[in-house]
Amino acid sequence: ETGVTQTPRHLVMGMTNKKSLKCEQHLGHNAMYWYKQSAKKPLELMFVYSLEERVENNSVPSRFSPECPNSSHLFLHLHTLQPEDSALYLCASSQDRPPSEQYFGPGTRLTVT
Amino acid sequence: QQQVKQSPQSLIVQKGGIPIINCAYENTAFDYFPWYQQFPGKGPALLIAIRPDVSEKKEGRFTISFNKSAKQFSLHIMDSQPGDSATYFCAASGDRGSTLGRLYFGRGTQLTVWP
Repeated sequence: ETGVTQTPRHLVMGMTNKKSLKCEQHLGHNAMYWYKQSAKKPLELMFVYSLEERVENNSVPSRFSPECPNSSHLFLHLHTLQPEDSALYLCASSQDRPPSEQYFGPGTRLTVT
Repeated sequence: QQQVKQSPQSLIVQKGGIPIINCAYENTAFDYFPWYQQFPGKGPALLIAIRPDVSEKKEGRFTISFNKSAKQFSLHIMDSQPGDSATYFCAASGDRGSTLGRLYFGRGTQLTVWP
């Protein structure tokens, strides 16, 4: 596998479920990002990890919980989501210092029922 | 407050036409301006990027024009093809403070190129 991969590609979950999204980058980058993409809205940055430390959390509700166990893997743990959380969740990676281009994965299409 | 404003929201051109997408920003800390292309079911992919030390950059049929004094930049697609139909996002990033390493995206332009 090359680039940035995300699993699963599609996920349907009820509001009481707990699920996790996984991202893996094969580019040797040291920064990873979670974005939310909803219809008619700009890409919303959710979390930033640099060298496995969370450096940014953009007022994201606590029902979203990120985890970065190493520089190649990033998870987004989901629990008690709301229907308005339905969106495409994108993972990206880059080299952090100095900042470089961000490379995106294909995304996970999440539907909350 | 949106850091990068993009227009138009949608654009339809005939094959061979030159669609132009415009973006504007306010934060003078921005020094890197990439454009991303996104096809349905895919993540955004970097298309072309520019830094403010040049006013124009070309890569194949794609050209970025940059006006530092006006804080505006635009994407031109020469000889557009149906395969160029996608959503295009402009973005900006900076080299210091809160802008360091963070990409601020425009809302996107959905381009349709008719054969």
